[in-house]
Order: sequence, then structure tokens, then C-alpha cells
Amino acid sequence: GENVEQHPSTLSVQEGDSAVIKCTYSDSASNYFPWYKQELGKRPQLIIDIRSNVGEKKDQRIAVTLNKTAKHFSLHITETQPEDSAVYFCAASPRGDKIIFGKGTRLHILP
Amino acid sequence: DTGVSQDPRHKITKRGQNVTFRCDPISEHNRLYWYRQTLGQGPEFLTYFQNEAQLEKSRLLSDRFSAERPKGSFSTLEIQRTEQGDSAMYLCASSPFMGKAFFGQGTRLTVV
Repeated sequence: GENVEQHPSTLSVQEGDSAVIKCTYSDSASNYFPWYKQELGKRPQLIIDIRSNVGEKKDQRIAVTLNKTAKHFSLHITETQPEDSAVYFCAASPRGDKIIFGKGTRLHILP
Repeated sequence: DTGVSQDPRHKITKRGQNVTFRCDPISEHNRLYWYRQTLGQGPEFLTYFQNEAQLEKSRLLSDRFSAERPKGSFSTLEIQRTEQGDSAMYLCASSPFMGKAFFGQGTRLTVV
């Protein structure tokens, strides 16, 4: 079955700098890759997603890139702000089946 | 509120008791997922439904866990003979087929 690896587990960046979180997946049939943000004590919230027919997608300060050949995808946050501090999860879904999550990255934005 | 709704929000139970959680998905969503999340970990897949059909159940899931979605709308997750290791947040999510999945607020289970 699908397995999603996520790195790093913790990331600290200075406010205003960029943050990059990387994920790899194992099932070449995966064709949908969402990213979720979870603040302390709250539910995971979908922030951006990408399908395998595109290589990059951007939404304001957030972008995702996908390399199907290497089976890895990344989340890029530019001009980080204090409210970006949270845990971020990548996920992969093969053929529209179950969604499998990575273990998460705790992002700290330093003032 | 037209989002995913879970009930109860919190449940404390004694070891060995049975518990049942309910999830009401977004009304037009035909996919419904159950996940378990422990502190510092990502959501762990338990099972999912397409309408009333249970399509897959995690191999890691004990036989003490069962889920239903009898009419293709709300779903229940039952844990029989609870153990302390079952303590976790149980999350439900729903989506259209091959669409974006949205989570409920979860049910936090504490087994004492």
C-alpha cells in the first residue's frame, strides 16, 4: 500500500523567510496530493492540493511542486508570518482511493 | 454549520467498555473516511466508505473496531472492549469522489 514520508519533522524559520517541506510517496498510482495545516487543538484544514497532471500550483504565498518521476512533492511557503506556525501534513491518494498522510512537520516562525 | 460534524467531542470510558462515535458528513459527499490521530503523529487511516459500501479497512485495525454507514449518510465507529492504547483523537472526513476531503473536529477518546 501507499506510504508517505515527510521531512523535516521540525522546521524553524525567521519571519519573512521561506519554508520548504518535502514528501515522498511509494505508490506510483497516486494521483492526488493534498496538504493540510493543523493548529493546536484544531482539525486539519486543507490548504492546497495538486493532481498528477500538473507539476506546480500556487495560491498566494503557498505553492506545491510535484515530481512524478522521482515520486516526491513539496510545499513552499514564502514571506512566512507568525500565523503560519502550525503542523503541516502532506498526503497522497492512489486512484482516488484512501488518503494516506505523512507524519507531519512542526513549523515554527521565529520573530 | 454545513461542515463535517462529529459526536461526541470527548469521551472518557473505562477499559473494557464499548464506545460508539458518530460522524455526519457534508451532505453531498459520498466518500467518508475515519482516521485516528495520536499526539505528534499524522492521521492514521482506519477505514473508508463510498456511499454505504465499506471499501477498505486498515490491516492494522483490530477486530474490536467496526464501522458502518447504513444509508450512505452518517457513519458510526464502534470500539469494543476498549484498551488504554485506543486513547486517541478519532477524526472523520468526507469528500466527493476524487475531491477535496474536509475533516470534522474529532472525538477525543480517553480510556482509563
